[in-house]
Parts: sequence; structure tokens; C-alpha cells
Amino acid sequence: DAEITQSPRHKITETGRQVTLACHQTWNHNNMFWYRQDLGHGLRLIHYSYGVQDTNKGEVSDGYSVSRSNTEDLPLTLESAASSQTSVYFCASSETGAPYEQYFGPGTRLTVT
Amino acid sequence: GENVEQHPSTLSVQEGDSAVIKCTYSDSASNYFPWYKQELGKGPQLIIDIRSNVGEKKDQRIAVTLNKTAKHFSLHITETQPEDSAVYFCAALGGYQKVTFGTGTKLQVIP
Repeated sequence: DAEITQSPRHKITETGRQVTLACHQTWNHNNMFWYRQDLGHGLRLIHYSYGVQDTNKGEVSDGYSVSRSNTEDLPLTLESAASSQTSVYFCASSETGAPYEQYFGPGTRLTVT
Repeated sequence: GENVEQHPSTLSVQEGDSAVIKCTYSDSASNYFPWYKQELGKGPQLIIDIRSNVGEKKDQRIAVTLNKTAKHFSLHITETQPEDSAVYFCAALGGYQKVTFGTGTKLQVIP
């Protein structure tokens, strides 16, 4: 069955370190998204991609970057982790013709100490 | 950009009662309104959606209504069951095909 996976599921890192969160989908979807989820803020869009070599900034992109070298993967990098980036991160994907029907991964809980 | 507000943030109901979650949106160009359910420790999952040219849609115990003039839409769950306990997110699809989510409602169904 097609799926979307995230790794690691839990990560503890120190302030200032570079961290990369992986997202892999086997739906063959062109659209991929990264969100962070914080209490009181719901899901906020960090970055998104509509295809290979395409990346776009979302509403909370500062301090994050993504790259899309193939259809299946959209890794999220925190260049220099900050305590404010402690959060639960969700990756999602959707078909080109149905951007509203997003399939979410299980999430990565990141703690920056 | 689009702004989606969701109320209430928490909701407790007795098993068998109905639950209603309300959302408002700001962008009149938004034309699609999905609802997601997030169970503990999992990612959100699409449960129902409604398009802007439809006023109401039902799927078993779940229904969504949309008032485009007032820019608000609602999720109605009837005959609630313990397995309905979760966090529910409304969302709106606006310009540039981006989905904006509400802040979530934690629903607790008390047996």
C-alpha cells in the first residue's frame, strides 16, 4: 500500500545544531508540504513543493529549508536549531489536481534544548 | 492571505449527544473546505469536505454546512461515540492552491 513516512519519529538536539527531518511518500504525488503543529496555532505551513526542483516558502519558513530532488522525498533542514523550533512536524502530500486532499505522515517530535 | 478561525478550542459532550464545530474564513476566493481528524499520536486525516457551490454535505453521522455569504462553515457530528474523541481541524483552500488550517478543536466524548 502507498504511504507517507517520516523519520526520525523523535529527536532531541542542541541549540545551534543542524537537523534534517526526512519525509518519504510512495503515492507518487507531485505536491508535498511541511507543517509544524504547536498548541494554540494549529498547523502552520513551513515550506511546500509542487514538483521536482520546485520549492516555496510558507508562512513560517524562517530558519528552515527544503530541497526536492525527486518525487518521493522532501527533507526539511533546520540550519541552526533554536528552542523556538521545538514542535511536532508533519509532512503531507497530495495529487496535483487535489491540493486540498492531503495525506499526512505520522509526525516527528523535535525538542531543541 | 487566508485566515481561518475555529471555535471552540475544546468541546466535551456526553456519548450520544451532538457536537458542532464552527469555522470562519476571510478570503472570498476560497472554494473548498476540508475537515481533518487527528487522533492521538497520528497525523491528521481527511474525513469530509465541501465545495463552495454546495450548502450541505452528509456522510453517515457527519455533516458539514457552508454559508458563503457569511463566510462560515461548520462540522456536525451526531450520536457521538467515544471513538469520535480527537482533535478536529477545519481548513480552507484559497489562492495559489494553498490550504490554511484552523487552530483545532479537541473533542472529548464522555461515555
